[in-house]
Amino acid sequence: GAVVSQHPSWVICKSGTSVKIECRSLDFQATTMFWYRQFPKQSLMLMATSNEGSKATYEQGVEKDKFLINHASLTLSTLTVTSAHPEDSSFYICSAISLGIQYFGAGTRLSVL
Amino acid sequence: AQSVTQPDIHITVSEGASLELRCNYSYGATPYLFWYVQSPGQGLQLLLKYFSGDTLVQGIKGFEAEFKRSQSSFNLRKPSVHWSDAAEYFCAVGGNSGGSNYKLTFGKGTLLTVNP
Repeated sequence: GAVVSQHPSWVICKSGTSVKIECRSLDFQATTMFWYRQFPKQSLMLMATSNEGSKATYEQGVEKDKFLINHASLTLSTLTVTSAHPEDSSFYICSAISLGIQYFGAGTRLSVL
Repeated sequence: AQSVTQPDIHITVSEGASLELRCNYSYGATPYLFWYVQSPGQGLQLLLKYFSGDTLVQGIKGFEAEFKRSQSSFNLRKPSVHWSDAAEYFCAVGGNSGGSNYKLTFGKGTLLTVNP
């Protein structure tokens, strides 16, 4: 199956700093990737659709200036949480599309102090 | 609008017992249906999928699911549960109609506990 790598797996940062999370498709090219947020014991909430070579499409209620998405190549999408605050602490998961199937990264746990 | 309902928040079964996790969906076109499993602190692993054809689909780890269009259901089953199956299970629906680009809608998940 297709493999998606997400890095880092865990990050701690100070309030007000920015954090970048990378999502890579290792053995396939993905023109579309997705970014999700997951709160404890809850389902995945889609934040945005990342399209290679174009602007990301954000879901309603997601601040595009806070969650910057860059999909600069067919194998890499990045999510930058800008000026992070404690309420941004969460589990962030990316996925990439291959043949109509979403394959997921292992997730990134962000803790903002 | 598409939606997924997983009626059971938490299910406990004994090791070796059979398992059925329920999933009902709402989707305006031909649905693509998925079951994913998530272990604590991990991403999601695809168990199985239904796109078209045979309505009984086989997946990894001995799981299967049956698509029933008349009931808008896609229930997941396993004849004999192993302790390592304890995890959170998510049903999802999506497709590529109207340019949705295979965007998925997830259910709230069912937490499976396996007793020895």
